[in-house]
Amino acid sequence: QVQLVQSGAEVRKPGASVKLSCEASGYTFNDFFMHWLRQAPGQGLEWMGIINPSGGGTSYAQGFRGRVIMTRDTATRTLYLELDSLKFEDTAVYYCARGVELYYFDHWGQGTLLTVSS
Amino acid sequence: QSLLTQPPSVSGAPGQRVTISCTGSTSNIGAGYDVHWYQQFPGTAPKLLIYGNTNRPSGVPDRFSGSKSATSASLAITGLQAEDEANYYCQSHDRSLGASVFGGGTKVTVL
Repeated sequence: QVQLVQSGAEVRKPGASVKLSCEASGYTFNDFFMHWLRQAPGQGLEWMGIINPSGGGTSYAQGFRGRVIMTRDTATRTLYLELDSLKFEDTAVYYCARGVELYYFDHWGQGTLLTVSS
Repeated sequence: QSLLTQPPSVSGAPGQRVTISCTGSTSNIGAGYDVHWYQQFPGTAPKLLIYGNTNRPSGVPDRFSGSKSATSASLAITGLQAEDEANYYCQSHDRSLGASVFGGGTKVTVL
């Protein structure tokens, strides 16, 4: 069965950077675009961007351009999200999700809590 | 401010029918993009509930149904059950942003 397993919780200071991971299994890795989304405490869902596991091409939401990098390692079937210049408002649960067509998200990771605190 | 507008909360007694609206614009739902719905319980990841406006993934009970018209969409829950108490989010694609967009979420309370 499809599984997306994300890395554990992180704590960072403002201005620092963080790299989160998402290991995929149970399907052909290159066949589905992958997405990163986040959810601030008590808030709704926010789409951050997309990566094509096959070629590595990416597209980022406007609010994250210049501060986010999405990469993948096809050998380990792992996706990575790097977020720089962290702010208090980046505190959120970050999810990886598998995208289908244009686009809905049929499988989600369990989420990684990132806390930005001084 | 979400591009898709949902009511913050809806409630109903067990067995009743409730609906959740999702209002967009000519840049997203009205541009012909599909609407999808997710169910989320506190502390857990969202789960796909409805895709392509009206389709249910395998395992989703048929008491959940979706519809779309013009610049809006709706999720209906018939025969409301206690286990349906959760947050529900609509999602579509926005042509101007070139991005997936979500509604702010609706909390369903079973009275």
